[in-house]
Amino acid sequence: DGGITQSPKYLFRKEGQNVTLSCEQNLNHDAMYWYRQDPGQGLRLIYYSQIVNDFQKGDIAEGYSVSREKKESFPLTVTSAQKNPTAFYLCASSIRATGETQYFGPGTRLLVL
Amino acid sequence: LAKTTQPISMDSYEGQEVNITCSHNNIATNDYITWYQQFPSQGPRFIIQGYKTKVTNEVASLFIPADRKSSTLSLPRVSLSDTAVYYCLVVPRGGGGSTLGRLYFGRGTQLTVWP
Repeated sequence: DGGITQSPKYLFRKEGQNVTLSCEQNLNHDAMYWYRQDPGQGLRLIYYSQIVNDFQKGDIAEGYSVSREKKESFPLTVTSAQKNPTAFYLCASSIRATGETQYFGPGTRLLVL
Repeated sequence: LAKTTQPISMDSYEGQEVNITCSHNNIATNDYITWYQQFPSQGPRFIIQGYKTKVTNEVASLFIPADRKSSTLSLPRVSLSDTAVYYCLVVPRGGGGSTLGRLYFGRGTQLTVWP
């Protein structure tokens, strides 16, 4: 059953703590993306990766980091430098990063304690 | 990157046809018009994509006039389950450089279907 998965569904972060959000896809897609969505707002691009071992900053990369060591995985770390991390985080993938359809995961909701 | 303008919200009743119009005055030659649907606490889902004239699939139709400066998503006979946010995007196809990965999801249109 092909698709894109994210875990956990909910995540709580304490002040000063780094947390990592998981994103896995078995669609054999080259490109993967991370978006942030705040209530009532659209999606904003954090990072994207066109291929393994390569990634680029999006519009709001400050306070976040990513890695792309495997084609299937694109984890996002929310660092303590991100002062307002409470949001809904969405991971997506596409065959290539040239405008093809993006397939989204179910999302992770991050809350700060 | 061409941005889009669409109504913030629309209301409809079950069984009616809904048309959501999107403006994209700065659309470029290699841009496609793409619509996504998002339910609360879920990721967006691709609905339909087109370049010009009319495209139809099992879910919706997309009408694009000759000047391509606007487009209309048409949902036939909506039901309560069509209540969602609908995003209109202009997507450069086959390009490279700074546009890679740059999908712009604005606030979208909140469609509410009433019984």
